[in-house]
Amino acid sequence: ELKVEQNPLFLSMQEGKNYTIYCNYSTTSDRLYWYRQDPGKSLESLFVLLSNGAVKQEGRLMASLDTKARLSTLHITAAVHDLSATYFCAVDMWVTGKLIFGQGTTLQVKP
Amino acid sequence: NAGVMQNPRHLVRRRGQEARLRCSPMKGHSHVYWYRQLPEEGLKFMVYLQKENIIDESGMPKERFSAEFPKEGPSILRIQQVVRGDSAAYFCASSRRGGNQPQHFGDGTRLSIL
Repeated sequence: ELKVEQNPLFLSMQEGKNYTIYCNYSTTSDRLYWYRQDPGKSLESLFVLLSNGAVKQEGRLMASLDTKARLSTLHITAAVHDLSATYFCAVDMWVTGKLIFGQGTTLQVKP
Repeated sequence: NAGVMQNPRHLVRRRGQEARLRCSPMKGHSHVYWYRQLPEEGLKFMVYLQKENIIDESGMPKERFSAEFPKEGPSILRIQQVVRGDSAAYFCASSRRGGNQPQHFGDGTRLSIL
C-alpha cells in the first residue's frame, strides 16, 4: 500500500527565515502534487511535478521531485506571515488517478 | 468558469439520520473523486466515479456509505444512519480524465453529527 509521509508535521518559524518541508512516498510514482489549505477552506493547487528532477518555483515557494529517492521537497524562502497555512503533498496512483495524501505540514510564520 | 460545486457547505445531522452530499464537477469533467478529511488529518481517498460507473471504491467504509454519479445531475455521497465518527469535511474533486490529469477540488461539505 502506498504511503506518503511528510515532515515536519508542524513548523513555527520567524519571518525572513528559510525552511524545507519533506515528502517521502513508498512506491514508484512519477507525479507529485503540492497543495495549500487555509483553515476551513478547500485545497489550492500549488505545484504539479511530473518527472524526475522537476523543479518549479512560485514566489517564495520552490518544489522539487526526486523519483529515485521517492522524495519531494517544498522550500520556503524568506517566509512571510501570508504563507501560514497547512501544506499537503499527494502522490498520484497511475491507473485510477486517486491521490494519496501526506499528513500535512502546518506552517506558522511569526512576525 | 464555474469550478467544482459542492452543497451544502455545512450539514448538521443527528445520529441515525441520513446525510446526502452533492458534487457538480467542472464543465467538461466526467471523473469525480470523493475524499474525507478528519480533524487535524490529511485527506483520505474514498471513491472514484465516472458517469454511471464506480471505478474504485477501495476507500469507502463497507457499511452505510454509498456513492453515485448518474448520467444526469450531480454526484451524490450518501451516508446512512450517521454516527459521531462521520463528522468530517468531505471534499469532491473532478478531472477531465482519470489518471495523470489534475484534480480540481470543491470547497467541501462540513458534516457535523449531534
